[in-house]
Amino acid sequence: AQSVTQLGSHVSVSEGALVLLRCNYSSSVPPYLFWYVQYPNQGLQLLLKYTTGATLVKGINGFEAEFKKSETSFHLTKPSAHMSDAAEYFCAVSESDSWGKLQFGAGTQVVVTP
Amino acid sequence: EAQVTQNPRYLITVTGKKLTVTCSQNMNHEYMSWYRQDPGLGLRQIYYSMNVEVTDKGDVPEGYKVSRKEKRNFPLILESPSPNQTSLYFCASTRDSLASPLHFGNGTRLTVT
Repeated sequence: AQSVTQLGSHVSVSEGALVLLRCNYSSSVPPYLFWYVQYPNQGLQLLLKYTTGATLVKGINGFEAEFKKSETSFHLTKPSAHMSDAAEYFCAVSESDSWGKLQFGAGTQVVVTP
Repeated sequence: EAQVTQNPRYLITVTGKKLTVTCSQNMNHEYMSWYRQDPGLGLRQIYYSMNVEVTDKGDVPEGYKVSRKEKRNFPLILESPSPNQTSLYFCASTRDSLASPLHFGNGTRLTVT
């Protein structure tokens, strides 16, 4: 069975600074990995995903994430934070041989300060 | 416009009074799923459906029922709601598998007193 751990429930970054959100997972088979973003009073939107192939994945709004199998990690980064990046971010994992079940992390709330 | 529609957006009810939260998608997606979101716990999967008449339990199915009689609809039923089911609920759908992105509804905030 898979599980997801997001380090830090709240992260504060200055506008223009690096955004780094950490995600570690456990999975007994090759995983599918996702980052979703949730803006206030809305559902979740997909930022990016890893299924197979290139381990550095680029998503929308300047975000990217790198799948590191040896570290069982899928950290999300953005070089320069913008005020509009303030939101809650969720890492999620699905096991490729039992699709249907999707497990989310607890979420990281990002605050961007001027 | 492609979307997942949940109704109602807000619902306050009392313990034991049966309720249904509807979910409909207009994208001809095969896969649909229900989640509940609670502070500090992220989203937890309640039930999912891979196609019409095919449903399966997620991580927290107790106290919930679902049905998938038509491809577009996936209602969530609480036969006897309890206060611990107070939560924010999301319905989501995707084309065929979880390698495809999930499309989420805007959520239903349920309060059970």
